[in-house]
Amino acid sequence: GAGVSQSPSNKVTEKGKDVELRCDPISGHTALYWYRQSLGQGLEFLIYFQGNSAPDKSGLPSDRFSAERTGGSVSTLTIQRTQQEDSAVYLCASSSTGQAPYGYTFGSGTRLTVV
Amino acid sequence: RKEVEQDPGPFNVPEGATVAFNCTYSNSASQSFFWYRQDCRKEPKLLMSVYSSGNEDGRFTAQLNRASQYISLLIRDSKLSDSATYLCVVIQTNGGSQGNLIFGKGTKLSVKP
Repeated sequence: GAGVSQSPSNKVTEKGKDVELRCDPISGHTALYWYRQSLGQGLEFLIYFQGNSAPDKSGLPSDRFSAERTGGSVSTLTIQRTQQEDSAVYLCASSSTGQAPYGYTFGSGTRLTVV
Repeated sequence: RKEVEQDPGPFNVPEGATVAFNCTYSNSASQSFFWYRQDCRKEPKLLMSVYSSGNEDGRFTAQLNRASQYISLLIRDSKLSDSATYLCVVIQTNGGSQGNLIFGKGTKLSVKP
């Protein structure tokens, strides 16, 4: 597709369950970011992938959070044993050069609600 | 001190007004600066870059003051469609890393008829 695709767009899960969020970047884009945005808050950096380099995981809030990027394309963000404070919109962005934010395009996000 | 700070607002202005937002950053080694716009329940979208010499795009003017470590966004002749949250973005690079986008929490603008 022409843009960054995220799925699901909405996810309601029970506390303690694991969830997987998916990001399909624009084809050929080498750089990919995950952010989360809680209600009324700014964007919180989670993790950054650039090509085949080791990802920058410095923003992951706990060891319940992990992310991978297979074949330099699709990325999945996994949250294990979800907690209510994990409720937020999870946004993915990709770029062709890593020279942010030129060419950085955000997906429309996954709204996660933990009940 | 937070890395990037913005007045959350809201700024409530009438149509046609001129409004300005500031954003301060704490890391003097910050490299690049941008303004993003985020509509309610939508993803952020790049509005404009901020260059040292200042730059203009139609009704929007962005400026950078490295000495005082702030950037500004000026909107002239406000339109109803300008109502949104404006996010200040700073890029910090660390050695060989491509760097992080550091987002401010945003300034909410509401333009009234």
